Amino acid sequence: GENVEQHPSTLSVQEGDSAVIKCTYSDSASNYFPWYKQELGKRPQLIIDIRSNVGEKKDQRIAVTLNKTAKHFSLHITETQPEDSAVYFCAAILSGTYKYIFGTGTRLKVLA
Amino acid sequence: DTEVTQTPKHLVMGMTNKKSLKCEQHMGHRAMYWYKQKAKKPPELMFVYSYEKLSINESVPSRFSPECPNSSLLNLHLHALQPEDSALYLCASSQDQVAAYNEQFFGPGTRLTVL
Repeated sequence: GENVEQHPSTLSVQEGDSAVIKCTYSDSASNYFPWYKQELGKRPQLIIDIRSNVGEKKDQRIAVTLNKTAKHFSLHITETQPEDSAVYFCAAILSGTYKYIFGTGTRLKVLA
Repeated sequence: DTEVTQTPKHLVMGMTNKKSLKCEQHMGHRAMYWYKQKAKKPPELMFVYSYEKLSINESVPSRFSPECPNSSLLNLHLHALQPEDSALYLCASSQDQVAAYNEQFFGPGTRLTVL
């Protein structure tokens, strides 16, 4: 079946450094790729998304890039802060059913 | 109102109990979802309602029974659950299930423990 691979599973960075999380999807017809942040005990919250007709999108310290040919997309967080510590999930929308296929998650720790 | 709300926040139930989880949104969204999330795992889709009709059932056991009384409310009725059903149950909503760019908004979840 269709799937989304996400790497790394855990990531520790020093405060102020950058963090990059990568996802690869299998459904070549996927055209929407959201990223969710989930803090411990909280709901997943959309932090940024990208549509297939765009190669890059930026929102302050967060950016997402998409390579449709290679079927991968990445989340970039610059100038990381302790409050960025959370689990991040990428997702791809499955063509036909419009279901989300989630990646396995990345636990980001920002060390002060 | 731009939130999805869920009640209760926590629920402990025995294997013979019957209970219900409730979800509400007032964003005018016409698609609503139930997800199950185990610790350290991504949300796992259970059901999708589109325009108050069940659109997707991901082969969920019949001890879970969804209901969509109106466009703002979504319930999940629980009966004869197993301990392995203990998890965080998340509700979500989106403008329309079949929208190409389908941002889903999640509720805070109900943490369910089955004894």
